[in-house]
Amino acid sequence: GQQVKQSSPSLTVQEGGISILNCDYENDMFDYFAWYKKYPDNSPTLLISVRSNVDKREDGRLTVFLNKSGKHFSLHITASQPEDTAVYLCAAGGAKLTFGGGTRLTVRP
Amino acid sequence: GPKVLQIPSHQIIDMGQMVTLNCDPVSNHLYFYWYKQILGQQMEFLVNFYNGKVMEKSKLFKDQFSVERPDGSYFTLKIQPTALEDSAVYFCASSLAFGTNQAPLFGEGTRLSVL
Repeated sequence: GQQVKQSSPSLTVQEGGISILNCDYENDMFDYFAWYKKYPDNSPTLLISVRSNVDKREDGRLTVFLNKSGKHFSLHITASQPEDTAVYLCAAGGAKLTFGGGTRLTVRP
Repeated sequence: GPKVLQIPSHQIIDMGQMVTLNCDPVSNHLYFYWYKQILGQQMEFLVNFYNGKVMEKSKLFKDQFSVERPDGSYFTLKIQPTALEDSAVYFCASSLAFGTNQAPLFGEGTRLSVL
């Protein structure tokens, strides 16, 4: 079964709004959680990550929230911009990362 | 910034032939990874590699697969012989540290088409 799951394959947000991307995982041994951004025909690029001893991390417009008891983490993008349009991959693990299927975010001007 | 380079970006090969996918990792990185993504599916872990050895591999890393990094050159994934189900994009990644200390940096992938 899928150990890391992104239940929403797509999300559309108006420019200036908040984009909220969600990720669920099964393995409670996972201790590292990351979000990658991927354009078509490009490599996944690391955006932000947290370890399991932290439940929130901010970096500019990006915030990761980690809910370990719920085996869930999310990425919030504030003041969303058209250039945020891409596929967002969540990943979780330890020595190796297991990826979710991706959420395609579209930010409309 | 530092980049992981994958050559070529697309490779077409007949079923049963051997193929080698090349990855030029970031120069001071020590840990190397291959991931496989079949069209429309999730990117899945194949193998990680350190100090000349496979550290961990998944069920997708079949007996026909092998990895090596001879003399600090390219990190390669060899498939011999290829099968139709090997058609996918293969992403190479590298990192300076292992596990939770540093997330891997990915290349742009090699699209392998097995005919």
